[in-house]
Amino acid sequence: DIQMTQSPFSLSASVGDRVTITCRASQTIYRYLNWYQQKPGKAPELLIYGVYSLQSGVPSRFSGGGSGADFTFTISSLQPEDFATYYCQQTYSTPYTFGQGTKLEIK
Amino acid sequence: QVQLAQSGDEVKKPGASVKVSCKASGYTFTNYDINWVRQATGQGLEWMGWMDPNSGNSGFAQKFQGRVTVTRDTSISTAYMELSSLRSEDTAIYYCARVMKAVGSWYFDLWGRGSLVTVSS
Repeated sequence: DIQMTQSPFSLSASVGDRVTITCRASQTIYRYLNWYQQKPGKAPELLIYGVYSLQSGVPSRFSGGGSGADFTFTISSLQPEDFATYYCQQTYSTPYTFGQGTKLEIK
Repeated sequence: QVQLAQSGDEVKKPGASVKVSCKASGYTFTNYDINWVRQATGQGLEWMGWMDPNSGNSGFAQKFQGRVTVTRDTSISTAYMELSSLRSEDTAIYYCARVMKAVGSWYFDLWGRGSLVTVSS
């Protein structure tokens, strides 16, 4: 199974801050890397797919990057509605594993 | 509109089985795989398995093999996930999700709202 190691586990930041989350796969996963946002009591929502492609309707302050096995997710200027938990996911091979999640909290 | 509508919350006793449904609307059900993901309270996302609604082919994470069955009824655009021999550790929200397959990237672009399964004696 491919292990996805996401960091940090939690992050405290202020509105307007730039934040970056990292995700490392245990092997090369090419472009099969996605990012989801989950708010309390809600289902996850797709933000970024294929490493850097923005899902339709997602604000441009969200971006993704990286290659091979090392990836990043960035919010350029935090908005109040961005405080949530974020997960990376690989879909290169089953089981389609998720990172442990990063809880983004208000400072 | 395009959506996945899941069945309601369930309470089951240890050893019992639960069957969660996922009804697709607004798109052609047989054109996209359905995957199942669960989340225990306060925990992360755990992928369980997939099904191709067109062929009925499926695959599961090793920890669920032998305990999970996925089926579908194409006449009503509905997928089902049945988990047997329930134990307290199976208490979780169960999500279905549609898989979009693009060249070089596959992703879960549409999710159901989740079905809470509580296993308690």
